[in-house]
Amino acid sequence: DAKTTQPNSMESNEEEPVHLPCNHSTISGTDYIHWYRQLPSQGPEYVIHGLTSNVNNRMASLAIAEDRKSSTLILHRATLRDAAVYYCILDLNTGNQFYFGTGTSLTVIP
Amino acid sequence: GAGVSQSPSNKVTEKGKDVELRCDPISGHTALYWYRQSLGQGLEFLIYFQGNSAPDKSGLPSDRFSAERTGGSVSTLTIQRTQQEDSAVYLCASSLWRTRTDTQYFGPGTRLTVL
Repeated sequence: DAKTTQPNSMESNEEEPVHLPCNHSTISGTDYIHWYRQLPSQGPEYVIHGLTSNVNNRMASLAIAEDRKSSTLILHRATLRDAAVYYCILDLNTGNQFYFGTGTSLTVIP
Repeated sequence: GAGVSQSPSNKVTEKGKDVELRCDPISGHTALYWYRQSLGQGLEFLIYFQGNSAPDKSGLPSDRFSAERTGGSVSTLTIQRTQQEDSAVYLCASSLWRTRTDTQYFGPGTRLTVL
């Protein structure tokens, strides 16, 4: 099974950028990299996804390494509402399900 | 528009009883997923429906777990003879299709407590 590795927790000061890393050394050529986040007492919500090129949307940016074995989710200015568990997931092109790991718990310090 | 809804939001049951958890996906979404999240853990995939195709049951932890999806819309997850280790938050998600880029939209979950 293709898996991802993320730090268990990270802290950031409010209004500073946050870089959340993810390693996925077993990624195959057609696996997309997805990021979701889960706010306290809520279901996960989509953040961003990408394949090879860096991606930007209104929530975040996704930087993908050239060899695709790692990626980084970038929150440009962390707010208190960004405190959540962030999941990095590979969508296997041979399977039908997402494999969610335990994610990175982000704490934003006022 | 309306998002994914789940009911009940909380369910407390006694060991050995059967429970049914309901999921109403976003209208028009063809794919529906069930996940389980134990306290402090990540999400564990349970089962997946795509349109009228046979569901992918590969994640169901035991034969006490079953799920159905009627009319390609509402889904029910049934747990028979509940055990204490079944206590968890059960999350449902839906997506428009099942392609590798589709977004999954999650409901708020049902918190199941087995006494």
